[in-house]
Amino acid sequence: SYILTQPPSVSVAPGKTARITCGGNNIGIQAVHWYQKKPGQAPVLVVYDDSGRPSGIPERFSGSNSGNPATLTISRVEAGDEADYYCQVWDSGSDHVVFGGGTKLTVL
Amino acid sequence: EVQLVESGGGLVQRGGSLRLSCVASGFSFSDYSLNWVRQAPGKGPEWISYISSGGGTIYYADSMKGRFTISRDNAKDSVFLQLNSLRAEDTAVYYCARDRGGSYPYSFDHWGQGTLVTVSS
Repeated sequence: SYILTQPPSVSVAPGKTARITCGGNNIGIQAVHWYQKKPGQAPVLVVYDDSGRPSGIPERFSGSNSGNPATLTISRVEAGDEADYYCQVWDSGSDHVVFGGGTKLTVL
Repeated sequence: EVQLVESGGGLVQRGGSLRLSCVASGFSFSDYSLNWVRQAPGKGPEWISYISSGGGTIYYADSMKGRFTISRDNAKDSVFLQLNSLRAEDTAVYYCARDRGGSYPYSFDHWGQGTLVTVSS
């Protein structure tokens, strides 16, 4: 089955840029989506189709996928961005949705 | 405003059953595919199942196939998940999530607040 690999944790100071990676076999040909998950809250889609941004998501959130890995970039990080972030793809080979293991973003 | 409201969770004994419901509002329900996703304590999200807008296409995660059944009632703007033969490892918050895509699970742009299922051993 398809596996998505994320670093367990990323730390960044307020105002700086956080980059969270998502690795997978030939991930460049996949559509990668990113979710933010805070404790006690439902997940929120922050990037779709590698680099699309849903309405209501700040421009500080951006994505790229030009190869391995795909990357979620959060610019000018704020304390409120502290959360777990998950990448996700549809694996057509197995007809399964796959989530990465998640990255805990800590704002120092 | 798009809203998804799950219900039906609770405490159940190992081997028992539950039926989860998700009622939608704020969008044309019959135009969208829906998914169920769960998150166990301390773990990441795990996709369970997908149902297309008309109900004709369904997918399941391998570990749930045969035990869980997804269905929908477009007249009632509702999607359901029947959980059978529950195990301790099924303990999780169960979310319904609207799909942005069409004929297969794609990405999930709106989620409910979830309903907690606890399986006791």
